[in-house]
Amino acid sequence: DSGVTQTPKHLITATGQRVTLRCSPRSGDLSVYWYQQSLDQGLQFLIQYYNGEERAKGNILERFSAQQFPDLHSELNLSSLELGDSALYFCASSVATGLAGEGRFFGPGTRLTVL
Amino acid sequence: AQSVTQLGSHVSVSEGALVLLRCNYSSSVPPYLFWYVQYPNQGLQLLLKYTSAATLVKGINGFEAEFKKSETSFHLTKPSAHMSDAAEYFCAVSSSGGYQKVTFGTGTKLQVIP
Repeated sequence: DSGVTQTPKHLITATGQRVTLRCSPRSGDLSVYWYQQSLDQGLQFLIQYYNGEERAKGNILERFSAQQFPDLHSELNLSSLELGDSALYFCASSVATGLAGEGRFFGPGTRLTVL
Repeated sequence: AQSVTQLGSHVSVSEGALVLLRCNYSSSVPPYLFWYVQYPNQGLQLLLKYTSAATLVKGINGFEAEFKKSETSFHLTKPSAHMSDAAEYFCAVSSSGGYQKVTFGTGTKLQVIP
C-alpha cells in the first residue's frame, strides 16, 4: 500500500459525458501527479500540482483539467469524453516539488471505460 | 531532452533463472534513473533508484541495477526469478538539477515459467 488513494476504482460512462477522478496523496506529500496509461500510448504524464498550484504540464488534452485543493487532495476532470479516453488513470505523489531524485508513489488507479 | 528505451516488451524466464531487463537512457545532463514494478491491477511501485551515488543499486525483492555511463544503460537484474516476480517493469529517467519531469519507458512484461 503506497498510501495514495484514488476513487473510484472503476468508472463506466458514455461518450460526451464528464467525469471526475479523485486522488488523496500520501500524508505529508505536497506534489500530486496525474498519469494516463493505455495499451497504445503507454504511461503518459498529464499534469502536476504542488501545494495547490500547477507546476508542470504534460500531454494533457484541453478537455481535461485538474486542481489541487487546500487539503492537498486532487481531482482530474475529463469532459466531452471520447472512446479513446478509455484508460487507466493514475495519481502519484511525492514529498516536494518533483526534485529530480525523488521517486513517485502511485495510487491503485481508476479504470475509465467510455462506451 | 531525455528518454528511455526498454528492449523487449515481453521477457520470459524460468523460475530460478536469472532475470535481466534492459534499459538504455538518453539525457543531456547526468540522469537520475528509476525502476518501477506494476503488478496486475495495481499502481506502479518504486523498485530502486540511481541518484549518482553508488553505480550498483540494490532495491526491494532482491532486484538490483547497475548504472553504466559508457553504455548509457541501467539494466535490472535478479539472480533467481520467483513466480511472484511476474509483473510489468518500467524504467524511468529524470535529469539532475532541480525539478525535472520523469520520463517513463514503455514497459517490459516479465513472465515466469514454473
